Amino acid sequence: SQQGEEDPQALSIQEGENATMNCSYKTSINNLQWYRQNSGRGLVHLILIRSNEREKHSGRLRVTLDTSKKSSSLLITASRAADTASYFCATDSGGFSGGYNKLIFGAGTRLAVHP
Amino acid sequence: DTGVSQDPRHKITKRGQNVTFRCDPISEHNRLYWYRQTLGQGPEFLTYFQNEAQLEKSRLLSDRFSAERPKGSFSTLEIQRTEQGDSAMYLCASSFLLAGSSYEQYFGPGTRLTVT
Repeated sequence: SQQGEEDPQALSIQEGENATMNCSYKTSINNLQWYRQNSGRGLVHLILIRSNEREKHSGRLRVTLDTSKKSSSLLITASRAADTASYFCATDSGGFSGGYNKLIFGAGTRLAVHP
Repeated sequence: DTGVSQDPRHKITKRGQNVTFRCDPISEHNRLYWYRQTLGQGPEFLTYFQNEAQLEKSRLLSDRFSAERPKGSFSTLEIQRTEQGDSAMYLCASSFLLAGSSYEQYFGPGTRLTVT
């Protein structure tokens, strides 16, 4: 079963615009991660935010986490055509020996950035 | 390239045949994970290893599936008597577990399995 739900399922924007994707999850987490996947390829880790953090930045990416609402958002600023991909949130609820365990992914947001 | 490799990248097989996939993680990583991804969905957890020990298996991993990591390095995932429903992308990921620390998972390019 999938923990997270991304919203929207698909997003189409013009280059230069900002893209915002949201993720909701169901259970308590240790951390939440965002991954990117180009069509038919493997996943690339973008950013990790721990449960005690509220906001994190990496380059043009900004991630927020609201544990009271069990939700997160990923903002990509000044989007480029090369940002076209599927974006997934994944939650790590911890477990044996702490640290990372299995990731539970949502169904993803398919982002299309048009030149 | 994340440093995690998978082989083969594509596999077409007939229903009822056995298939085996290999994953080579980043060398210093002690955790290895297998996920399955069907079209339009996010990856679903199958199993993971810490060194050579298989610590958890998903209910998705039926008796026809078996995974090994014999020396705590590479891993294999075998599917016996394949069914059309096994058609999917099989993803491997690795990470390094250090007590009190958290590290991201690095994914391989995946093996796309088509069962005809």
